[in-house]
Amino acid sequence: DTGVSQDPRHKITKRGQNVTFRCDPISEHNRLYWYRQTLGQGPEFLTYFQNEAQLEKSRLLSDRFSAERPKGSFSTLEIQRTEQGDSAMYLCASSFQEEKLFFGSGTQLSVL
Amino acid sequence: SQQGEEDPQALSIQEGENATMNCSYKTSINNLQWYRQNSGRGLVHLILIRSNEREKHSGRLRVTLDTSKKSSSLLITASRAADTASYFCATDPGTASKLTFGTGTRLQVTL
Repeated sequence: DTGVSQDPRHKITKRGQNVTFRCDPISEHNRLYWYRQTLGQGPEFLTYFQNEAQLEKSRLLSDRFSAERPKGSFSTLEIQRTEQGDSAMYLCASSFQEEKLFFGSGTQLSVL
Repeated sequence: SQQGEEDPQALSIQEGENATMNCSYKTSINNLQWYRQNSGRGLVHLILIRSNEREKHSGRLRVTLDTSKKSSSLLITASRAADTASYFCATDPGTASKLTFGTGTRLQVTL
């Protein structure tokens, strides 16, 4: 058990490009969450999976955002046609039938 | 959207002093949690208090919850420089849904 792993740690991209982030949760954790955090703010919920089912999506998750968890293990978050406003820290968290979340170190996205 | 509002936004104290931060929230909850975040890192769970509890302790941490006022406080006693971080409250509505985080308190502990 090495904790929640996120890749990459940092991503710099040009406006209009697509980016994909990966999250590997703690093994046997059935719940996986994506949050977005901007400087000086708390994390904002994006989406949530229980096993492979995406159960909830925030209004923040526009059509340009898509998340998958194909086999109920790792998850990917893709942002298409990135905009400067997408610049943020993208945090992944997992849990298993308990309320507390275990967070990864995040992926810092900078859109130029 | 953010459920909780933390107060103060920033707090600077000297090592050995106590730090108190407050959280107010808007809707009913199943539990309330506190997390810590070091700069540029992910969040780490500190403590969870359920809606039917009024106070909880864990080491140097003391959390209180007043559901009638929809507020919680986190007290860190005998602070250390290593406690320097941002602290967030998060509310859980208890419907297998997501945690909603507050805006955070930035704590600076100086030697």
